[in-house]
Amino acid sequence: GDSVTQKQGQVTLSEDDFLFINCTYSTTTYPTLFWYVQYPGQGPQLLLKVTTANNKGISRGFEATYDKGTTSFHLQKASVQESDSAVYFCAPRGKLIFGQGTKLSIKP
Amino acid sequence: EAAVTQSPRSKVAVTGGKVTLSCHQTNNHDYMYWYRQDTGHGLRLIHYSYVADSTEKGDIPDGYKASRPSQENFSLILELASLSQTAVYFCASSPTGANTEVFFGKGTRLTVV
Repeated sequence: GDSVTQKQGQVTLSEDDFLFINCTYSTTTYPTLFWYVQYPGQGPQLLLKVTTANNKGISRGFEATYDKGTTSFHLQKASVQESDSAVYFCAPRGKLIFGQGTKLSIKP
Repeated sequence: EAAVTQSPRSKVAVTGGKVTLSCHQTNNHDYMYWYRQDTGHGLRLIHYSYVADSTEKGDIPDGYKASRPSQENFSLILELASLSQTAVYFCASSPTGANTEVFFGKGTRLTVV
């Protein structure tokens, strides 16, 4: 069956650092993937989505890409800020499953 | 303005007691979900519903019941609460199934003692 994995449980960066987190989704069909962000004390909310056809999604300074060779989705941001501290989840379209989440902590 | 409202936001329950978590949505969405969040496990689907008066089991339904009396309301019921059910519970809704964005409530923190 399909499975989605986020191996990076926690990432700690300083302000203005580059962010790069991964989500691996194994499927036999062409995937579309959603990235959700959960701020402290809140429920998850949609950040952006990426499809293999478009190969890239962009929102709020975040960019999501897909690497067909490794079946991995990547979420990146050029310069993180303290306000980006949150948990980031990936979720394949068409499935009611989420990755384990990557907690991003930003040192002020 | 919040489209998915959960109540209560926090609850302490005793082991063996009955707990009901409530969810109300004003999105006019057909699908509603209950997820559980534990540290290190992300979000896991307990029950969901795509129409009033009908519910479906998710990935971890054991120990939980769900009720969808109307399109707007979806409840999660723990008949006999256990320590292992201590977690944060999220209700969510979407217009169709998982092909579209899912809108979450703010969560209910349940502590079973």
